[in-house]
Amino acid sequence: EPEVTQTPSHQVTQMGQEVILRCVPISNHLYFYWYRQILGQKVEFLVSFYNNEISEKSEIFDDQFSVERPDGSNFTLKIRSTKLEDSAMYFCASSEAWNSGANVLTFGAGSRLTVL
Amino acid sequence: SQQGEEDPQALSIQEGENATMNCSYKTSINNLQWYRQNSGRGLVHLILIRSNEREKHSGRLRVTLDTSKKSSSLLITASRAADTASYFCATDGNQFYFGTGTSLTVIP
Repeated sequence: EPEVTQTPSHQVTQMGQEVILRCVPISNHLYFYWYRQILGQKVEFLVSFYNNEISEKSEIFDDQFSVERPDGSNFTLKIRSTKLEDSAMYFCASSEAWNSGANVLTFGAGSRLTVL
Repeated sequence: SQQGEEDPQALSIQEGENATMNCSYKTSINNLQWYRQNSGRGLVHLILIRSNEREKHSGRLRVTLDTSKKSSSLLITASRAADTASYFCATDGNQFYFGTGTSLTVIP
């Protein structure tokens, strides 16, 4: 069964460092998403991406975050200068349709980011 | 925001019992979905119900939707220990916002 793959599974970084989280969405999906989940808290929407541009973003997705689809398969989330509060599990998701009544998200297993 | 909110926040039952979780939302929708999250893992889609449907079944899952009350329920029948997870509802829109979820524990 097709799946969304994320790398790395766990990354430890020092505060202030840049981090890039990578995702390979399902190949025929057109819409891509990043979510984060701080330990014990809810899954929070960060950003959605379609046709090589951001479609929607939440207030969490500030200037320190950016997303990119550098080639035909990867979808990346960059955190420019990490803070302690960026420590969380980051989930990538993709979907085939957009608000058509069948927008089912497929999630990756997540990348755990620990900022020291 | 079209975020759904689940209740109860936590539910603990014995294996074999039925588990019922509820979801409320605020705006009109085209569809509502339920997802499951095992601890530390990504969310997995369980079932989608469209706004013109009132009830839908998938295996041991039964979902109802009441658009007049802006609410949905997820029933898991004959629960198993493997059903232990957090369950989230999500409504359609430009973003998928998830609520805080219902944490279900099924005791063997």
